[in-house]
Amino acid sequence: KAGVTQTPRYLIKTRGQQVTLSCSPISGHRSVSWYQQTPGQGLQFLFEYFSETQRNKGNFPGRFSGRQFSNSRSEMNVSTLELGDSALYLCASSPGTIFYTGANVLTFGAGSRLTVL
Amino acid sequence: AQKITQTQPGMFVQEKEAVTLDCTYDTSDPSYGLFWYKQPSSGEMIFLIYQGSYDQQNATEGRYSLNFQKARKSANLVISASQLGDSAMYFCAMRVHGSSNTGKLIFGQGTTLQVKP
Repeated sequence: KAGVTQTPRYLIKTRGQQVTLSCSPISGHRSVSWYQQTPGQGLQFLFEYFSETQRNKGNFPGRFSGRQFSNSRSEMNVSTLELGDSALYLCASSPGTIFYTGANVLTFGAGSRLTVL
Repeated sequence: AQKITQTQPGMFVQEKEAVTLDCTYDTSDPSYGLFWYKQPSSGEMIFLIYQGSYDQQNATEGRYSLNFQKARKSANLVISASQLGDSAMYFCAMRVHGSSNTGKLIFGQGTTLQVKP
């Protein structure tokens, strides 16, 4: 079955611009989580969406936002880009049952590499 | 505070030998799950193995096994018969259970493994 698809894979923006990243989860998965990976801070959780609702949020400024559509596809947006936003943005999907059962493994996409100049 | 610590920034192993990657965790929640992911240079995070806090036996998946020592709060990954394709970054991660936390993992800083021919 198809994996998690992230688009675009690479993009270059300048400071002050905004960017939208897209994530298509595995068919049947209802949870989509976003992570930021940088050499200095490592992998940090941004937010999670489940059934079109934000279920969990990491410690990031309000410039970072997201949404999920009825087909479980998700987008994240970063407004007023800063140099420090340069990172690999990883999306992960999981079955995301409301009541936790089992491992509920996160399957990651290949990521979107954002460079802010 | 919930935290994952990987103390080995980089490791070398000879092809066909076994290697252990260290991971210690900190949480006061009695219910949690521990994951190991592999990240090749392409960037995609690949799930390797999972251990639940209540699992009686150590998890195994092919050449991967998890040495789970609950009292010491360690969850070391053992890779047997290393292959050149095992060269990658390896991340230990934890999920603290709770209905609102299914997509949120806390990651360690990672260990870069290089397999020598």
